[in-house]
Amino acid sequence: DGGITQSPKYLFRKEGQNVTLSCEQNLNHDAMYWYRQDPGQGLRLIYYSQIVNDFQKGDIAEGYSVSREKKESFPLTVTSAQKNPTAFYLCASSIPGRVDYGYTFGSGTRLTVV
Amino acid sequence: RKEVEQDPGPFNVPEGATVAFNCTYSNSASQSFFWYRQDCRKEPKLLMSVYSSGNEDGRFTAQLNRASQYISLLIRDSKLSDSATYLCVVNMADSWGKLQFGAGTQVVVTP
Repeated sequence: DGGITQSPKYLFRKEGQNVTLSCEQNLNHDAMYWYRQDPGQGLRLIYYSQIVNDFQKGDIAEGYSVSREKKESFPLTVTSAQKNPTAFYLCASSIPGRVDYGYTFGSGTRLTVV
Repeated sequence: RKEVEQDPGPFNVPEGATVAFNCTYSNSASQSFFWYRQDCRKEPKLLMSVYSSGNEDGRFTAQLNRASQYISLLIRDSKLSDSATYLCVVNMADSWGKLQFGAGTQVVVTP
C-alpha cells in the first residue's frame, strides 16, 4: 500500500543537539511538506518542496533545515538554533496543482527536548 | 486576521444528537475545501472534500457558502467514535494549491 512513513515515532533531543526526522513516501507525489503542531494549536508550515533539489521556507523555518535529493524523501533537521523544538512534527505529500486533492500525512514524530 | 478561523470548542454532544459547526476563510479566490479529522496525538486524516453544491458522506454533511466565505460540517446521530478535532482546510489559491489549516474544532460525544 502507498503511504508516507515517518521515523522515529518518538525522539528525544538534548540541548544543543541537531536531530534529523525522516519522511519517506511511495505515492509518487511531487510535493512534500513539513508541519509543526504544538498542543492545542493548529498546523504551522515549516518547509515545503515541489520538486527534487528545490524547497521553500514556510511560516516558521528558522532553526530548521531540509533537503530534497530524492523524490521519495524529505528529511527535516531540527538544529540547535531552534529554541523551542518540543512539538509534534508531521510530514505530508500531495500532487501540486491538483486543487481537488488533499494532503496525505505520515503518522508523525513527537520530539521532546530533555 | 487568520486565513482560516474555527471555533475551538469543545462541543459536548450527547450520543445520538446532531452537532454542526462552521469555519470562515479569508481568501475569496480559494477553490478547494476540506474537512480533516484528527484524533488525539495522531495525524490528520481526510474526512471529506467540500463541494459547492454541498455533499454528504453517511452521517456527515458539508456545505460551502462562497458569498459569506464559510464552510460547515454537520454530524448526525453522533457516535462516541466521532469524538475528535475537526480541521477546516482551504487551499491558498497559489499556483500549486497549498493548503491552509484551521486550528480545529473539538467535538466530544458523551454517552
